[in-house]
Amino acid sequence: DGGITQSPKYLFRKEGQNVTLSCEQNLNHDAMYWYRQDPGQGLRLIYYSQIVNDFQKGDIAEGYSVSREKKESFPLTVTSAQKNPTAFYLCASSIDQGRETQYFGPGTRLLVL
Amino acid sequence: EDKVVQSPLSLVVHEGDTVTLNCSYEVTNFRSLLWYKQEKKAPTFLFMLTSSGIEKKSGRLSSILDKKELFSILNITATQTGDSAIYLCAVGTNAGNMLTFGGGTRLMVKP
Repeated sequence: DGGITQSPKYLFRKEGQNVTLSCEQNLNHDAMYWYRQDPGQGLRLIYYSQIVNDFQKGDIAEGYSVSREKKESFPLTVTSAQKNPTAFYLCASSIDQGRETQYFGPGTRLLVL
Repeated sequence: EDKVVQSPLSLVVHEGDTVTLNCSYEVTNFRSLLWYKQEKKAPTFLFMLTSSGIEKKSGRLSSILDKKELFSILNITATQTGDSAIYLCAVGTNAGNMLTFGGGTRLMVKP
């Protein structure tokens, strides 16, 4: 049963804390992406990775960090430098650099305590 | 800077109505336009359009692209309550496989 999984479904962050959102895919896709979605807004790209051990900043990378040590995994860390982290975070993947159709995970909702 | 604008922002209709959602774009090196449907969580892929004037159809949903006027429309006929969702438009360019998303149209279909 192929797909993209994200965990946790809900995450609570305290002031000054770093938190990590998990994204795993078993679709054998090369490219993976992280988006942020705020209420009433579309998706904004945080980071993307075309291949293992390589990643690039998107439009709103400040306060976030990522790693891509394995093809199937692309975790996102929301650092304490991100002052307004409350949002819905979506992870996506696509087959490779030449194919733009992206498939999404179920998302993680991050709330600040 | 690439820009994708969707209209209307939100729409309320009754079952059986037909709706048209709009997506206009200004991007460098356009390659494709994609439509997604987002219910509670993950956006699900609907269509990808690359050529002007060729309609893509899936059941009651259809979409068409106009590369001269830089827009696309998504039509839904005989709407059902299950069509209630946010519909997202995204544009891909030849610069890579990143997508630029519009703000979405929230559709509510009442029984």
